[in-house]
Amino acid sequence: GAGVSQSPSNKVTEKGKDVELRCDPISGHTALYWYRQSLGQGLEFLIYFQGNSAPDKSGLPSDRFSAERTGGSVSTLTIQRTQQEDSAVYLCASSLQGTTNYGYTFGSGTRLTVV
Amino acid sequence: DAKTTQPTSMDCAEGRAANLPCNHSTISGNEYVYWYRQIHSQGPQYIIHGLKNNETNEMASLIITEDRKSSTLILPHATLRDTAVYYCIVTGSSNTGKLIFGQGTTLQVKP
Repeated sequence: GAGVSQSPSNKVTEKGKDVELRCDPISGHTALYWYRQSLGQGLEFLIYFQGNSAPDKSGLPSDRFSAERTGGSVSTLTIQRTQQEDSAVYLCASSLQGTTNYGYTFGSGTRLTVV
Repeated sequence: DAKTTQPTSMDCAEGRAANLPCNHSTISGNEYVYWYRQIHSQGPQYIIHGLKNNETNEMASLIITEDRKSSTLILPHATLRDTAVYYCIVTGSSNTGKLIFGQGTTLQVKP
């Protein structure tokens, strides 16, 4: 597609439920990143995928968070046993190569609300 | 990665140049300066980046001081649609390629 696509755009879930957030990167982009942004805050790095390399999971806040990237394309971020503090906008970005010499293209995000 | 310091907020009159400063006094030789912006309710948008030389593209110009300890993003003719949070990020060309976002500068373009 022309841009990074994320779905759903909005998700309301009950505390304790599991959620899956999807990201379709730009075709041909080998690197994919997940960030989250709490209300009024900056972006927090979560996880990074580059090709077939092991993902950089250093930003995941707890073991309730996991992500996978199938076939080097679509990625799914899963949050298990959601808590209210998980409420945020989750942003996905992709780039042509796995270095910052190229700009990231961000999706519009998934707004997650845990009630 | 080097830390950056930006003013919390700035105002600019529509049609005038917006000059957004960024201090990065601890930048190392292989680190790049990146600028992104985030318009309300949208994902961040890449603007420009540079290493040593000044850069210009269709969106903006980036002026980096000779000692590389600070830079300025210039929007030559600001419009109301340029109202956004502008992030200055310094990062190396590492394998992880992750960008660490600070709080940025909220630019308000006024009519």
